[in-house]
Amino acid sequence: KAGVTQTPRYLIKTRGQQVTLSCSPISGHRSVSWYQQTPGQGLQFLFEYFSETQRNKGNFPGRFSGRQFSNSRSEMNVSTLELGDSALYLCASSVPSPYGYTFGSGTRLTVV
Amino acid sequence: AQSVTQPDIHITVSEGASLELRCNYSYGATPYLFWYVQSPGQGLQLLLKYFSGDTLVQGIKGFEAEFKRSQSSFNLRKPSVHWSDAAEYFCAVGAESGGGADGLTFGKGTHLIIQP
Repeated sequence: KAGVTQTPRYLIKTRGQQVTLSCSPISGHRSVSWYQQTPGQGLQFLFEYFSETQRNKGNFPGRFSGRQFSNSRSEMNVSTLELGDSALYLCASSVPSPYGYTFGSGTRLTVV
Repeated sequence: AQSVTQPDIHITVSEGASLELRCNYSYGATPYLFWYVQSPGQGLQLLLKYFSGDTLVQGIKGFEAEFKRSQSSFNLRKPSVHWSDAAEYFCAVGAESGGGADGLTFGKGTHLIIQP
């Protein structure tokens, strides 16, 4: 079956702009979580959604937000981009418990 | 708060030699433990996971890991590495509380280099 699909793969934005990233989970997976990966901070948990509800949120500013649709697809939005937001953003889907998250290939965001 | 320590930033191993990557975690209850591998420019691939039961778990690509509660460790092993094993390896701990998941906490990763 198809894996976790993230679009776009690469993105270049200017400081101050906003960006929306998309994630389509594996069919039947209702839980979607987002992670930020940077060389300095490593992999950090952003938030998790289940049945269109945010269940948990990591320690990130309010500029980072997300949502989940009825078909379990998820989007995350970053407003007022900063240079430090440059990162690989990874989406993962799972059945509703941490029984092995499946990750997508990520979206590489570069802020200039 | 949960945490994961991977003490080795880089490890170099000769092809065909055995491998052990270390992982120590901090968590108050029984954790869910994972090992993921990441190739350059790619996402994370799950190698294996531990939730309960047998403390020696088998994964894909010939990897195994052993959960040692007394040492708070979950070390990854492979008896004979191949050049294709060169990648970044991440240990992660997760938990579920109050009906919601807390997300995974990852270690900083170990970069594995394979010498011919």
